[in-house]
Parts: sequence; C-alpha cells; structure tokens
Amino acid sequence: DTGVSQDPRHKITKRGQNVTFRCDPISEHNRLYWYRQTLGQGPEFLTYFQNEAQLEKSRLLSDRFSAERPKGSFSTLEIQRTEQGDSAMYLCASSLGVAGVEQYFGPGTRLTVT
Amino acid sequence: GIQVEQSPPDLILQEGANSTLRCNFSDSVNNLQWFHQNPWGQLINLFYIPSGTKQNGRLSATTVATERYSLLYISSSQTTDSGVYFCAVVGGRSDSWGKLQFGAGTQVVVTP
Repeated sequence: DTGVSQDPRHKITKRGQNVTFRCDPISEHNRLYWYRQTLGQGPEFLTYFQNEAQLEKSRLLSDRFSAERPKGSFSTLEIQRTEQGDSAMYLCASSLGVAGVEQYFGPGTRLTVT
Repeated sequence: GIQVEQSPPDLILQEGANSTLRCNFSDSVNNLQWFHQNPWGQLINLFYIPSGTKQNGRLSATTVATERYSLLYISSSQTTDSGVYFCAVVGGRSDSWGKLQFGAGTQVVVTP
C-alpha cells in the first residue's frame, strides 16, 4: 500500500506567477486535507474534501487559492499571483472513514516565492 | 477553536536519556495523534491515541482525555530521535470536519 504522494517536492517561483501542486491520497481514502506550515510553526488547516466535495475552507485560504478534487481521487491546489508570504510547506493528508480517524501525511511541497 | 499547547518547546538530551513531552488541549477530542517531523519536513505518524496507552519500541504514549492531556515518552534516546515532535487533535464538535489542530511542537536534540 503506497502512502500519500505529492508533486512537486520543491517549487521556486517568482512573485506574481501561478503555481499548482498535486496530491495523490492513499487509495480509497475518502477524506483529503490540505495544510500549510511556515518556518517554526505547526501545520495549519487550509481545506478539506470528502470524496469530490470541498466541505470546508479556512480563512487562511484567500481568493488567490483554489483547490479541486475531481472524481474524488487526486487533488490539486493552485495559488494565483503568488506573494512572498505564500512561501511555506504545503502538506496533504488523507484518511478513511469518519471524522477523527488517523490521518496520513505526504512528504509535502516546499514553495519558495522570490 | 480548540487550543493545543506543547511543552517544553525545546529539549536537549544526551544519548541514552529518557524524556517526557506533554500536550494539553482545551476541549474534548475525537482524535489525538503524535508525529515526528523529519529534517525533510515529512510528518511521520507515531501514535493515534485519543485515549489510553500505547507502546511502540522505545516510544510510548498516554492520553487522559478526561483531564485533557497526552504524554509522549522517549526512552533510551538516540540521535535519530532528533527533530520536531507535534501533537495534533481533532476537536469533538460536530463541525470540526476532522481537521487536525496542531500544537507548536517540541524541538528535540539528542547529542552523542
């Protein structure tokens, strides 16, 4: 059973450019979460999918951020018009079943905006 | 939302020493997980422990849900135990959607 995978692992972009990250959850996991972690802090929740439905978005997720999970499988997170403050580690997690079950994290995508 | 506090923020250990990390939370929880973040940033699952006690090798954890705290024990520490340890919880409210609320972490350094 393969774990959660994320692509790319690292992304360096110039301010103002758009970037897209991909997350492939553990097979058949119905729940998928995106978190963001800045240096020296714990991860913070961004958004959550149950199957293909996006059920919650954090106030951290500005209008420049959009996430999708077509067909309830992989998910993409797009950031438009990147800003230096978007530099962070973007983490994806998945779980199977109801709220409160164990979540498994991918290796993350480290974004640097110059 | 639910608050999660970890202590101590930093811990320096000599190889072979034992240590205890603490996690306090402000409300009832449906889930509590301990993670070790490796130098590349990946979160490694250590324990899923909303209540009770578990052991895995040199690591063990105890959660006392009624008193709103969890403890992670590291025994006979090794240099490979270095890194940041996070406690994360899912609040017990029905609108939490299962999202994890993380503490600020404990930075552990094990010296040879």
